[in-house]
Amino acid sequence: RKEVEQDPGPFNVPEGATVAFNCTYSNSASQSFFWYRQDCRKEPKLLMSVYSSGNEDGRFTAQLNRASQYISLLIRDSKLSDSATYLCVVDQTGANNLFFGTGTRLTVIP
Amino acid sequence: DAGVIQSPRHEVTEMGQEVTLRCKPISGHDYLFWYRQTMMRGLELLIYFNNNVPIDDSGMPEDRFSAKMPNASFSTLKIQPSEPRDSAVYFCASSLVGGAFFGQGTRLTVV
Repeated sequence: RKEVEQDPGPFNVPEGATVAFNCTYSNSASQSFFWYRQDCRKEPKLLMSVYSSGNEDGRFTAQLNRASQYISLLIRDSKLSDSATYLCVVDQTGANNLFFGTGTRLTVIP
Repeated sequence: DAGVIQSPRHEVTEMGQEVTLRCKPISGHDYLFWYRQTMMRGLELLIYFNNNVPIDDSGMPEDRFSAKMPNASFSTLKIQPSEPRDSAVYFCASSLVGGAFFGQGTRLTVV
């Protein structure tokens, strides 16, 4: 089983839609969790950290479910500029040992 | 801060040649990571350093790959000899706490 698993998509949604991505991780001792965004032929960029209590940044909401070992990312009111690949990242050891999922491709359609 | 700086941005080399990729982390960051990204395998962690010391190199594919970090502001990833299957984008990233910041990557093509 992979350390981090994501639905690769693609997700094609109209502008203004709400879309959610899930990610599961295998190591129950994992310490920290993040969502990254990667545009085509660019480097991954940190989008947001994921906290146990859940956290929100504008249109983006991230949640962590430790019991079920999954994290989620919700994007409300999708914009064309949200089109990208979203990578789920898990720090398994608390020592910055970052494992990346293979990413979920999102395309927002006008 | 200029962010993580990698060089070269693109490298095309012939099979069997030595390739050296370079990375300058963000000043003050004490973790440095080397990743490789391909369509088939996604983003793979090759090796990472903490305070210039290699912590985990289990992702290094084989003995042809080696990485060094002689000081806090510089790291290299070397492939010798290179093979066509090494073609990929190689990213360097650095971190202090909470996530990592990536360089723009080196796109390596081995022909």
